[in-house]
Amino acid sequence: EVQLLESGGGLVQPGGSLRLSCVASGFTFSSFAMGWVRQAPGKGLEWVSAISAGSGSIYYADSVKGRFTISRDNSKNTLFLQMNSLRVEDTAVYHCAKALRGGAMIAVGGLDYWGQGSLVTVSS
Amino acid sequence: EIVLTQSPGTLSLSPGERATLSCRASQSVSSSYLAWYQQQPGQSPRLLIYDASSRATGIPDRFSGSGSGTDFTLTISRLEPEDFAVYYCQQFGSSTWPFGQGTKVEIK
Repeated sequence: EVQLLESGGGLVQPGGSLRLSCVASGFTFSSFAMGWVRQAPGKGLEWVSAISAGSGSIYYADSVKGRFTISRDNSKNTLFLQMNSLRVEDTAVYHCAKALRGGAMIAVGGLDYWGQGSLVTVSS
Repeated sequence: EIVLTQSPGTLSLSPGERATLSCRASQSVSSSYLAWYQQQPGQSPRLLIYDASSRATGIPDRFSGSGSGTDFTLTISRLEPEDFAVYYCQQFGSSTWPFGQGTKVEIK
């Protein structure tokens, strides 16, 4: 059974930092691209970042570029999101998600498994 | 950067009716790179359709996807009570994976 378990969320002041982790199990983690998607309270889904299976390709949404860094450790089946210079508008539940297909980032097809999410609250 | 616009924002229908949801891209998208999701309140999204028209594992055949270029459609042939939810499209591009803003299907 595929499982994705996020951790690392919490309350942080504006300008602060947090590091989210997503531990994966039930599939060959090193064969699939992964992504982070967030959802602010009462709002829609917002894609944040994505990373290819071997970390050779990395994408960011404009809203987080230069502040967030995605990475992965395939030896530990773990995906990370380092979030710096946090803003109030970054407050959201952050989900990690697995690509449906391996291969090129553009051809992943969809995100077929999602974690339950980790709440990040940025407030003074 | 491609922007996805979903319409309508809210669709009010009765169980048994047909739902037609639209997703329009700001520039042409390869059909292979568009997906649809369903999200129930308090739950994580569920993949319904990938490659614009292929149903994901376990998705009932009342859900279908179609379209090409800039216009894509998700159709629910006969709404079941569990289908009232929010639906999102997503495009997988060469540098971004944006979502549309969502369409809420509510009970009339």
